[in-house]
Amino acid sequence: AQSVTQLGSHVSVSEGALVLLRCNYSSSVPPYLFWYVQYPNQGLQLLLKYTSAATLVKGINGFEAEFKKSETSFHLTKPSAHMSDAAEYFCAVTLNFNKFYFGSGTKLNVKP
Amino acid sequence: NAGVTQTPKFQVLKTGQSMTLQCAQDMNHEYMSWYRQDPGMGLRLIHYSVGAGITDQGEVPNGYNVSRSTTEDFPLRLLSAAPSQTSVYFCASRSGGVGTGELFFGEGSRLTVL
Repeated sequence: AQSVTQLGSHVSVSEGALVLLRCNYSSSVPPYLFWYVQYPNQGLQLLLKYTSAATLVKGINGFEAEFKKSETSFHLTKPSAHMSDAAEYFCAVTLNFNKFYFGSGTKLNVKP
Repeated sequence: NAGVTQTPKFQVLKTGQSMTLQCAQDMNHEYMSWYRQDPGMGLRLIHYSVGAGITDQGEVPNGYNVSRSTTEDFPLRLLSAAPSQTSVYFCASRSGGVGTGELFFGEGSRLTVL
């Protein structure tokens, strides 16, 4: 079975600082990986996805993530945080695009 | 452009009552699914469907029923609500090509069971 672990339920950064949100997965075979963002009282929106093409994936709003098989990781980064990045971020994994498994989420706070 | 529409947005039930959460999508997606979101637990898959007439269980299916009679609609039924079913419920759909993978979510339905 697959699973996702997100280290840090809350992360706080200053505006302009690097954003690093951690995601580690557990899977018997290389999975497909996703990052979603959720703004208050809204559904989730796709930020980026890894589907076995390039290991460095670029997404919307300046976010990117790197698939590292040796570390079973798919950490999300952004070089410079903006106030509008404050939201909750979820990492997700699937093997067959039918059953998706989500992490517990990381709330990002951006300080002015 | 409606996307995925969920109704109702808010609902309060008493223990033992039944209700149906509605989900409709206008993107002609074959795949539809239901998740529940609880604090500190992320989203957990309840049931999913890969097309009309086809449904399957997810991680936490107990206490919930689904059916899929049309491509557009995927209702979630609670036959006898329990306080443990207090949660925010999300419906999500995706296009049929497995290489895409992007889930499109509704805005959620907040259910409280007293």
